[in-house]
Amino acid sequence: AQKITQTQPGMFVQEKEAVTLDCTYDTSDPSYGLFWYKQPSSGEMIFLIYQGSYDQQNATEGRYSLNFQKARKSANLVISASQLGDSAMYFCAMSNFNKFYFGSGTKLNVKP
Amino acid sequence: SAVISQKPSRDICQRGTSLTIQCQVDSQVTMMFWYRQQPGQSLTLIATANQGSEATYESGFVIDKFPISRPNLTFSTLTVSNMSPEDSSIYLCSVGDLFEQYFGPGTRLTVT
Repeated sequence: AQKITQTQPGMFVQEKEAVTLDCTYDTSDPSYGLFWYKQPSSGEMIFLIYQGSYDQQNATEGRYSLNFQKARKSANLVISASQLGDSAMYFCAMSNFNKFYFGSGTKLNVKP
Repeated sequence: SAVISQKPSRDICQRGTSLTIQCQVDSQVTMMFWYRQQPGQSLTLIATANQGSEATYESGFVIDKFPISRPNLTFSTLTVSNMSPEDSSIYLCSVGDLFEQYFGPGTRLTVT
């Protein structure tokens, strides 16, 4: 069964605008973690942000924020004030039952 | 956060040969993970390597094809054996737990 779903294979955003990348997840365990990673063309996986299932507040890290809607099982990434360097693949992931599950990714292109 | 290095960063290999990828962490960690990312795809967990015990392989991956060593708490190797073009991928090691996971820069393997 698909644990993590990213429905946007590709997204375009104008430089300096905000963009939301969608992620939904599926688990019956009340304890889990949600992550977003950025993968530029170089291939490295860069950790962006983490949200625990018991966290009351939405996680924020600089220009990144995670819109956590527990009842809807969604964990969307919001990037504010997009920059050209934000162009990359973005992966949503969940830690659950001692394993990590990754979504299929969203390719973000920031247009000048 | 942990600093992780991998060697080699990339390689081009002939089919039928084997390649050993090294992963070094700057601190002692309990769990290390090996992932494969085929072109245009998401990450797939190959195995979990704990120091002092046999690696645990995910469905579809076998020890004969992907032997793993974990001689101490800061180092692990993954060997891709008897390679075929289908093994052309990025191989990433990572460390962490349910609350955080950090990745090495990856090894980009091309099999001809």
